[in-house]
Amino acid sequence: GQQLNQSPQSMFIQEGEDVSMNCTSSSIFNTWLWYKQDPGEGPVLLIALYKAGELTSNGRLTAQFGITRKDSFLNISASIPSDVGIYFCAGSSYYGGSQGNLIFGKGTKLSVKP
Amino acid sequence: DVKVTQSSRYLVKRTGEKVFLECVQDMDHENMFWYRQDPGLGLRLIYFSYDVKMKEKGDIPEGYSVSREKKERFSLILESASTNQTSMYLCASSPGAQLNQPQHFGDGTRLSIL
Repeated sequence: GQQLNQSPQSMFIQEGEDVSMNCTSSSIFNTWLWYKQDPGEGPVLLIALYKAGELTSNGRLTAQFGITRKDSFLNISASIPSDVGIYFCAGSSYYGGSQGNLIFGKGTKLSVKP
Repeated sequence: DVKVTQSSRYLVKRTGEKVFLECVQDMDHENMFWYRQDPGLGLRLIYFSYDVKMKEKGDIPEGYSVSREKKERFSLILESASTNQTSMYLCASSPGAQLNQPQHFGDGTRLSIL
């Protein structure tokens, strides 16, 4: 079936650093979404992207819909301690899946540098 | 704001029991979903429903069933619970006829099967 590869799997941040993560798919997507999950809670939508090349910001977060339609990137600028959590990408393609259902990446876990 | 409410945050059941997980959304969304979340495996779709009394299998439906008698409520049923069904269960909903719309999640039910 379709797969989303999300990287990195985990990373450590120091306050003030910029953070980048990305997702790649095995097929063309028409929707890319980015979610954040805090411990003990459900994922919360951060950014939704619907057009190739689209660049959208939400505060210190910026996400891009890749021009090839097979990838997406999330950047966090000037990270702060409350940025820790698990970030998920999700996408939907024209082909395959369950009638266009969202497919989720396995997540990028952000932790604070010891 | 969309609110997706899962009836229990934590649940402990015994092997062989029939287990019901309940989910209610208050935004008149057409689509509802059940996922399980396990470390390293991300979110895996169990079942979804795009209308009352309609249900579709997701990627891992074995051992589960669902019920959607009312638009706002989607129940997940473990017919005979087994230890490998110990997991975090997340319910989500989304609007409209297209399944690629952003999904709104509940806070999850952490289920332990002893």
